[in-house]
Amino acid sequence: EAGVVQSPRYKIIEKKQPVAFWCNPISGHNTLYWYRQNLGQGPELLIRYENEEAVDDSQLPKDRFSAERLKGVDSTLKIQPAELGDSAVYLCASKARNTEAFFGQGTRLTVV
Amino acid sequence: AQTVTQSQPEMSVQEAETVTLSCTYDTSENNYYLFWYKQPPSRQMILVIRQEAYKQQNATENRFSVNFQKAAKSFSLKISDSQLGDTAMYFCAFMEYGNKLVFGAGTILRVKS
Repeated sequence: EAGVVQSPRYKIIEKKQPVAFWCNPISGHNTLYWYRQNLGQGPELLIRYENEEAVDDSQLPKDRFSAERLKGVDSTLKIQPAELGDSAVYLCASKARNTEAFFGQGTRLTVV
Repeated sequence: AQTVTQSQPEMSVQEAETVTLSCTYDTSENNYYLFWYKQPPSRQMILVIRQEAYKQQNATENRFSVNFQKAAKSFSLKISDSQLGDTAMYFCAFMEYGNKLVFGAGTILRVKS
């Protein structure tokens, strides 16, 4: 069974440019998470979906970040415009009912 | 809001020895899950072990075991017979039944030969 797939693995952009990350969760997993992880720190939740509904986006900086999960499957996280402080690893995870969360390999974003 | 605290930023252990990583959490919930995840330099977050709060028996997975103290809100991870491949960042995580998953700051574990 394929795991959580994220792309790209790495992205370098100039500040003020837009960037998008894509996540394909494990088939059948209704819950999808986006986390941001700064170097040497724990993941911090940006947004959580239950199917196509965003149920927890209180930590998402809505002035520049947006996310969508079309048809309750794939998800895209966008930043526009990017700032230097957005440099981090962006992790996607998914889970089914009564299971743990499974993580993708993450996207390392560098804003220069 | 639930919080997870890992008070040990870094730990070292000799190969084949035993090490214990600490974790405490704060919640008003009675039913929840606790996890330990491992994150090697490759960044892939991998589940090590899980514990359901309603189970009194401590979870065990091969060389990994936990000491779950519900009243004290403590959830430590013991790694026996440490191996070089155990070198990684370890995260303690809490999940309420509503699927909100919160992580601690992590503990870097270095296994020395």
